[in-house]
Amino acid sequence: EDQVTQSPEALRLQEGESSSLNCSYTVSGLRGLFWYRQDPGKGPEFLFTLYSAGEEKEKERLKATLTKKESFLHITAPKPEDSATYLCAVYGQNFVFGPGTRLSVLP
Amino acid sequence: DGGITQSPKYLFRKEGQNVTLSCEQNLNHDAMYWYRQDPGQGLRLIYYSQIVNDFQKGDIAEGYSVSREKKESFPLTVTSAQKNPTAFYLCASRLSRGADTQYFGPGTRLTVL
Repeated sequence: EDQVTQSPEALRLQEGESSSLNCSYTVSGLRGLFWYRQDPGKGPEFLFTLYSAGEEKEKERLKATLTKKESFLHITAPKPEDSATYLCAVYGQNFVFGPGTRLSVLP
Repeated sequence: DGGITQSPKYLFRKEGQNVTLSCEQNLNHDAMYWYRQDPGQGLRLIYYSQIVNDFQKGDIAEGYSVSREKKESFPLTVTSAQKNPTAFYLCASRLSRGADTQYFGPGTRLTVL
């Protein structure tokens, strides 16, 4: 059975304090790994798709990387507006979502 | 504007009532999905449809029903048989080619009184 876990469950950072969020997965035949940002009371907003180990993608202060067992979302010099829940999902036979990491960036 | 719309944004239901949540997309996507989101849990799949007039049960389909009569529309009915329907409901769509991304609507928050 495909599974996704995310750590930490919650993360508090000071503005400018870089860190990483982890997404660990087990899937038979990974077809894609997805990162989303979700603000409270809203639908998830697509950030990145990664297809194979070694792939990296960047967008502003965010960088996503992928290995055969996990993905990292690196946040460089975060700002308060980066506060949100970050969701990871994998697509093997079906889409499976992780529980998310709640990020708070304090000014 | 291309995108996915869900209505209503908030919905209140009395116990024993059926309610229908609307999901419309103008992205010309083939596949549409319904998820339920509860605090501290990942999105759980209720139903999905890869093509008009066809749909499949997801992991938690009991107490829910759907229809897919048009490519653009995938309404979800929460029936009185659903024991704990209070949740945030999300609709998504994708092109259904390879590992194409799912895109989400804004969600409907259902509260049972």
